[in-house]
Amino acid sequence: KQEVTQIPAALSVPEGENLVLNCSFTDSAIYNLQWFRQDPGKGLTSLLLIQSSQREQTSGRLNASLDKSSGRSTLYIAASQPGDSATYLCAVYGGSQGNLIFGKGTKLSVKP
Amino acid sequence: EPEVTQTPSHQVTQMGQEVILRCVPISNHLYFYWYRQILGQKVEFLVSFYNNEISEKSEIFDDQFSVERPDGSNFTLKIRSTKLEDSAMYFCASSVDRWAFFGQGTRLTVV
Repeated sequence: KQEVTQIPAALSVPEGENLVLNCSFTDSAIYNLQWFRQDPGKGLTSLLLIQSSQREQTSGRLNASLDKSSGRSTLYIAASQPGDSATYLCAVYGGSQGNLIFGKGTKLSVKP
Repeated sequence: EPEVTQTPSHQVTQMGQEVILRCVPISNHLYFYWYRQILGQKVEFLVSFYNNEISEKSEIFDDQFSVERPDGSNFTLKIRSTKLEDSAMYFCASSVDRWAFFGQGTRLTVV
């Protein structure tokens, strides 16, 4: 059964820092991996999707990498801003399930 | 930009009552989903729907739950007799090429 783990659970950084969020998954037979942003009490905003055949995807200050064989993905945020404060969720699609399996998220706080 | 819309944003109901949560998926998407997130916990899959039928469901999705696509645009989740433990944020999603887009959620509070 696919399990998704995100480390750290919470992270606090000063504005301007570059940072890395980690995601690991137990079953490497995935179709894709998505990173989401969730603001308190709000919905899920899709940030990046990496297909299983890809190694990375970039959108603005965000870069996500995927190492399927080791079951790991990272989300790199460059030059962090207070507006980046949110919970970041990693989710994988595939394996034995035809749906997304989520991690618990990393709660990011960027201090001005 | 196309988006998944959910109504209502917040619903309070008494235990034992029926509730219907509504969603309008993105128009050219073929797969629809319901997920839920209990406060402080992971987002959990409930059910997927394709070609007017359930394609997959989780253990959570028992006989109390049902889904329907009553017309060409709406997708609904019905909880027949709500329990306190059904209190959660319910998310609708739709996907194309296994890229899922989520709505803003309905916060269901059962009292």
